[in-house]
Amino acid sequence: AQSVTQPDIHITVSEGASLELRCNYSYGATPYLFWYVQSPGQGLQLLLKYFSGDTLVQGIKGFEAEFKRSQSSFNLRKPSVHWSDAAEYFCAVIRSDAAGNKLTFGGGTRVLVKP
Amino acid sequence: NAGVTQTPKFQVLKTGQSMTLQCAQDMNHEYMSWYRQDPGMGLRLIHYSVGAGITDQGEVPNGYNVSRSTTEDFPLRLLSAAPSQTSVYFCASSYSKGGRRYFGSGTRLTVV
Repeated sequence: AQSVTQPDIHITVSEGASLELRCNYSYGATPYLFWYVQSPGQGLQLLLKYFSGDTLVQGIKGFEAEFKRSQSSFNLRKPSVHWSDAAEYFCAVIRSDAAGNKLTFGGGTRVLVKP
Repeated sequence: NAGVTQTPKFQVLKTGQSMTLQCAQDMNHEYMSWYRQDPGMGLRLIHYSVGAGITDQGEVPNGYNVSRSTTEDFPLRLLSAAPSQTSVYFCASSYSKGGRRYFGSGTRLTVV
């Protein structure tokens, strides 16, 4: 079974500092990869996704993510965080070689932004 | 432009009661899914559908039923509510398997 691991449950970062959120998946082939953000009390918003091609993916709100096949990772980064980036972030994957529609989420990383 | 609409937004049930969480989308998406969100566990897939008349189980299907009689609607039924089903439930739809998921705003369910 595929699984998605986000090792950091909480991250605290100062406003203006850089941010990196880790995501690893356990699955043989390259899956479809996603990052979602959830602000308090809100639904989920797609930040970016990777299917194939260039391994550095640009998303909305200044986020980017890099797919590294050798490490089975898809880490999310932002060079300079804003107070509005405080939220919970979820990595998610879909098996590209399987039928169906199983989007599997990691446990999430909650980001706190210090002034 | 409604997108994915979930009702109700909040619900309190007594143990043993049944209810249906409604989900409707107006984007003609074939793929629809139900997730539950619990602290520290992310979102876990309950059931999903790849088209009208076709449903399948996700990670945590026990205690829930679904049906998909139309493309637009994908209701989730709790047969006999238990306190372990206290959670926030999200419905999602997408045009294709790898496509962007559009999420509803969620239903916060408490079972007492």
